[in-house]
Amino acid sequence: SQTIHQWPATLVQPVGSPLSLECTVEGTSNPNLYWYRQAAGRGLQLLFYSVGIGQISSEVPQNLSASRPQDRQFILSSKKLLLSDSGFYLCASKGQGGNEQFFGPGTRLTVL
Amino acid sequence: AQSVTQLGSHVSVSEGALVLLRCNYSSSVPPYLFWYVQYPNQGLQLLLKYTTGATLVKGINGFEAEFKKSETSFHLTKPSAHMSDAAEYFCAVSDRREYGNKLVFGAGTILRVKS
Repeated sequence: SQTIHQWPATLVQPVGSPLSLECTVEGTSNPNLYWYRQAAGRGLQLLFYSVGIGQISSEVPQNLSASRPQDRQFILSSKKLLLSDSGFYLCASKGQGGNEQFFGPGTRLTVL
Repeated sequence: AQSVTQLGSHVSVSEGALVLLRCNYSSSVPPYLFWYVQYPNQGLQLLLKYTTGATLVKGINGFEAEFKKSETSFHLTKPSAHMSDAAEYFCAVSDRREYGNKLVFGAGTILRVKS
């Protein structure tokens, strides 16, 4: 089965600082990878997804970007954080053999 | 575009009582359907899924859900609630025709279990 790792687990950053969140996947090859954001008391919003190395699709215009430098590595970045970027960021993976997505433990980002 | 509606942002049941969490979707073609559970400050865990075949699907922790095409519903049930079931539950759909297998989530239902 797949295991998704995310780090850091928590992060407190000042407004205007850069961001890099990392997600790595074990137990599958050539997965689809996804970044979601969960704001307090709200559902999950899909930010980016990737079907392969270097292939990134953005779902909503925003202050964030994503990259996939390796098959099982997915990075979420920002050059300058905004207060509205605060939230719980979840990485997910869908293997080639199934329809469901498996989620990592998440990163709690607070922008002050 | 697909959408998912979860009726009731908060549901409260007594321990041992029936759990019923409602989910309705809008789609012209039956999608793939999922229920996930999230405990505080954790990721989402898959409870069960419907892709094809039998419309009553069983998942982990005693939960089950029934796909009803005529009602565009996929309600989650458990015969007897346990204190450990207290969590937030998300219904999600994926358009089987769409590239990328993206999930669209409902807003979530927080389940409270009273002793």
